[in-house]
Amino acid sequence: LAKTTQPISMDSYEGQEVNITCSHNNIATNDYITWYQQFPSQGPRFIIQGYKTKVTNEVASLFIPADRKSSTLSLPRVSLSDTAVYYCLVGETNNNDMRFGAGTRLTVKP
Amino acid sequence: GAVVSQHPSRVICKSGTSVKIECRSLDFQATTMFWYRQFPKQSLMLMATSNEGSKATYEQGVEKDKFLINHASLTLSTLTVTSAHPEDSSFYICSARDPGATNEKLFFGSGTQLSVL
Repeated sequence: LAKTTQPISMDSYEGQEVNITCSHNNIATNDYITWYQQFPSQGPRFIIQGYKTKVTNEVASLFIPADRKSSTLSLPRVSLSDTAVYYCLVGETNNNDMRFGAGTRLTVKP
Repeated sequence: GAVVSQHPSRVICKSGTSVKIECRSLDFQATTMFWYRQFPKQSLMLMATSNEGSKATYEQGVEKDKFLINHASLTLSTLTVTSAHPEDSSFYICSARDPGATNEKLFFGSGTQLSVL
């Protein structure tokens, strides 16, 4: 599993777009990039997964440059309920090495 | 998405007792399940990987005799904290891999808050 680096924390305000970048310089050819969200006292929840370019779902967008050494999770128009810790994981989808990095603690303020 | 059920959600026990936590995949067969522990304000720490029908693979520093993992069926894995002590108090989370899923393949339980008095 490629090592990942994310900002420890970020602050935002309601209605703003939030972009969280994850660095993964050692990403391998078969690795996918997956983002999870975790609220206090709950298990992580899948947000989005991608391999290259751009992926969008009803919750977020994921931007991956051509070299794939980083990725950016974009949350449009955040609300207070988006306050959570966001983790990026990089690895093969059937890889058993599912270790989490430190994550980014996002705080959305009114 | 698929559902992983984890029970109990919270348990308080006396020091020296054993506690069993169950993790079930409700609508898929999970050949691989993972167990994590998480301390306040910290990330999830992988404790072990369990494969159905075989012994679990423990991460370095995790005592296998202390944290017994059984993955006897494709839908159930259990973690037993034996002779629990206050330092074992933590949030324990399981996850299960759905090999048949096309995108999201890893699903998490809701966690178990263990408090050892």
